[in-house]
Amino acid sequence: DVKVTQSSRYLVKRTGEKVFLECVQDMDHENMFWYRQDPGLGLRLIYFSYDVKMKEKGDIPEGYSVSREKKERFSLILESASTNQTSMYLCASSPPTDEQYFGPGTRLTVT
Amino acid sequence: GESVGLHLPTLSVQEGDNSIINCAYSNSASDYFIWYKQESGKGPQFIIDIRSNMDKRQGQRVTVLLNKTVKHLSLQIAATQPGDSAVYFCAENPLYNQGGKLIFGQGTELSVKP
Repeated sequence: DVKVTQSSRYLVKRTGEKVFLECVQDMDHENMFWYRQDPGLGLRLIYFSYDVKMKEKGDIPEGYSVSREKKERFSLILESASTNQTSMYLCASSPPTDEQYFGPGTRLTVT
Repeated sequence: GESVGLHLPTLSVQEGDNSIINCAYSNSASDYFIWYKQESGKGPQFIIDIRSNMDKRQGQRVTVLLNKTVKHLSLQIAATQPGDSAVYFCAENPLYNQGGKLIFGQGTELSVKP
């Protein structure tokens, strides 16, 4: 079975803090994705990566950056957390053209 | 703009009845479609997929129907159970997408009454 793990299920951070969200997949997938999910807005793509050290902006990249130094790991970075970044963050991975496999999500609260 | 949308935001069914969740898509170039189930507090889980060269695909208690003429996708759940209560998303993969990006619908919340 494909497994996508995220470093934390719940996280509480203060405004202005630097936040790292880690995602690891064990299926040697080329593609990895970071989404945020908010009520009424559905899944919105923040960044994605189709290879090591490659990254592409999604629909809402502002306030975020990513890092993919190894194929299995894709990190989302909030340089200076703000309250409007309180959300559920979902990581996913996939082969080039098939379904995405999601992690359990990290519920981030910024106070 | 292009979108994947669901006709109904909520659906309530009686346990044991069949459920039908609908999805309209606007991108005729999409060649791959997926249904996901998301339970409260969890990440979306793959249920079933279908490629554009098929009209119907069946899984265990689930069937996906694809009508390319009217750009409509549906998920049928047979003998709905309380454990089926969740939000269901459809997603499409347009041919032009690079890197396997999917376009997700907003989701339909299915509630199963005992």
